[in-house]
Amino acid sequence: GENVEQHPSTLSVQEGDSAVIKCTYSDSASNYFPWYKQELGKRPQLIIDIRSNVGEKKDQRIAVTLNKTAKHFSLHITETQPEDSAVYFCAAANFGNEKLTFGTGTRLTIIP
Amino acid sequence: DTAVSQTPKYLVTQMGNDKSIKCEQNLGHDTMYWYKQDSKKFLKIMFSYNNKELIINETVPNRFSPKSPDKAHLNLHINSLELGDSAVYFCASSQELSSGRSFKAFFGQGTRLTVV
Repeated sequence: GENVEQHPSTLSVQEGDSAVIKCTYSDSASNYFPWYKQELGKRPQLIIDIRSNVGEKKDQRIAVTLNKTAKHFSLHITETQPEDSAVYFCAAANFGNEKLTFGTGTRLTIIP
Repeated sequence: DTAVSQTPKYLVTQMGNDKSIKCEQNLGHDTMYWYKQDSKKFLKIMFSYNNKELIINETVPNRFSPKSPDKAHLNLHINSLELGDSAVYFCASSQELSSGRSFKAFFGQGTRLTVV
């Protein structure tokens, strides 16, 4: 089955700086890679996703890159703000099966 | 107009009891899931249903039994609760994956289960 590794587990960044979170996956059949943000005591919410036929996707301050050959993908947050503080999860899925496998999460703290 | 709603939000119960968590989605999605989030925040899939049929059953003790009366509902029943069952349980839903239309999964607000 799919195995998703996520690094780092914790990340502290000065406000205004950039944050990068990296994930690797094991199943070459995976073709969909979403990122979820979970604030304290809240539900995970989708913030951006990318399909395997695309190498990069951007949405304002967040971007995701995908390297299919190396089987890794990354989340980039620029100009970080205090409200970016949360736990971020990457995930991988294959449209052929009904399963979304999550990484272990990264606790991002933005230092004012 | 909550998209995925689950009840109760908090559940405190004694070991050995049987309890249920209910989940409903009004998004018209075909696929629903149960995830368990432990104290370390790991999110692990437990079950997946597509159009009321069980698709995924991870290595979950058979004390956990999901039931889907229709494709908008997926309830989780837990028998003989144990201390290790304490966690936050999230229900989620998404469009039918095999169609490739979407795989955006939407989560409920979670149920914090505490077994004492």
